[in-house]
Amino acid sequence: GAGVSQSPSNKVTEKGKDVELRCDPISGHTALYWYRQSLGQGLEFLIYFQGNSAPDKSGLPSDRFSAERTGGSVSTLTIQRTQQEDSAVYLCASRGRGPGTDTQYFGPGTRLTVL
Amino acid sequence: AQSVAQPEDQVNVAEGNPLTVKCTYSVSGNPYLFWYVQYPNRGLQFLLKYITGDNLVKGSYGFEAEFNKSQTSFHLKKPSALVSDSALYFCAVRDDVSSASKIIFGSGTRLSIRP
Repeated sequence: GAGVSQSPSNKVTEKGKDVELRCDPISGHTALYWYRQSLGQGLEFLIYFQGNSAPDKSGLPSDRFSAERTGGSVSTLTIQRTQQEDSAVYLCASRGRGPGTDTQYFGPGTRLTVL
Repeated sequence: AQSVAQPEDQVNVAEGNPLTVKCTYSVSGNPYLFWYVQYPNRGLQFLLKYITGDNLVKGSYGFEAEFNKSQTSFHLKKPSALVSDSALYFCAVRDDVSSASKIIFGSGTRLSIRP
């Protein structure tokens, strides 16, 4: 597709279970970001991938959170042993590289609800 | 480290009046500045950006923003507000020190336009 896609769109899970959230960036985009947005709140930076460089994990809130980006394309955000405070919308964005490619393009998000 | 601040959680304006949504930033080098909008139950959409050049940047839906280096600000403006402008607005920044630097978002400002 032409835009960033994320799956699933909604995920309901029980406290303590692991979840995986997927992001398909725009083809050819070298940068990929994960953010978290709690209800009506701002965007909390989680992790950033840029090409083959080591990811910037400075925003991950705990060691229960991890992310991978395979082949420089698809990314998976994994939350282990989910807690109720993990409930939020998880947004993925991608960005190209080079002049005129500073704009981030966001996916629709995955709404995670931890019961 | 780079940072961005949106000092107002909410801005209320009457339809037809001018609106301003404030943003200030802090970066190591020169800033790349962005505004995004999030309509209810919809994803984040790019509005406009400042990279270099003219300090007054024009974007989508009649919005514009003025880059002020001395005040480290990038306030979003519109001459005449519409009810349909009611949404959550995010300012974002990254520096030009490295092509790998990440984009940081402000906490968001909820704009409410009353008829």
